[in-house]
Amino acid sequence: DTGVSQDPRHKITKRGQNVTFRCDPISEHNRLYWYRQTLGQGPEFLTYFQNEAQLEKSRLLSDRFSAERPKGSFSTLEIQRTEQGDSAMYLCASSRGLASITDTQYFGPGTRLTVL
Amino acid sequence: TQLLEQSPQFLSIQEGENLTVYCNSSSVFSSLQWYRQEPGEGPVLLVTVVTGGEVKKLKRLTFQFGDARKDSSLHITAAQPGDTGLYLCAGRNNAGNMLTFGGGTRLMVKP
Repeated sequence: DTGVSQDPRHKITKRGQNVTFRCDPISEHNRLYWYRQTLGQGPEFLTYFQNEAQLEKSRLLSDRFSAERPKGSFSTLEIQRTEQGDSAMYLCASSRGLASITDTQYFGPGTRLTVL
Repeated sequence: TQLLEQSPQFLSIQEGENLTVYCNSSSVFSSLQWYRQEPGEGPVLLVTVVTGGEVKKLKRLTFQFGDARKDSSLHITAAQPGDTGLYLCAGRNNAGNMLTFGGGTRLMVKP
């Protein structure tokens, strides 16, 4: 396993711009999750996919946030019209999707977003 | 909404000391996980506890899941500078599709 990878690792943007982050899960992992982590806090769940289906998106922070996983492999998270409050670390995780309470989520290194 | 509270938020100790971190909730979780996170990196799983009353040991780290599966603790014996980091507990919901994280305990072990 090469691990979960995220790109870019850092993104600085100006308020009002759109940004897109990419996540490549561990190969053969069916589930992919997005979390947001603000400074000094634990990660906060945003959304997750089972293969290409987005099964939970009610936790996305606003309609400016959207995520896709078109072919059931990599995923993108887009934030439109960024605001300073969007500055945070955006974490991606993947898991096998086993029907088990021990289905382990493996996290990527995150993308740190700074909105000026 | 399921919430997890961790205490203490910050802990600074000398090398060789023992410490305990607590993770408490009013909700029942199907399982609870402990992660360690270093600056600029994603969380790395340390352990998963599933059964109420379960105790797991990982070298100098001892994890316990409360009998009612609402709380957990992490005890570190003879802490070392390499233990420095952010320790996060996370509870899994019954559907198994979401982790709820605590706010974390930032540990610093001074040589």
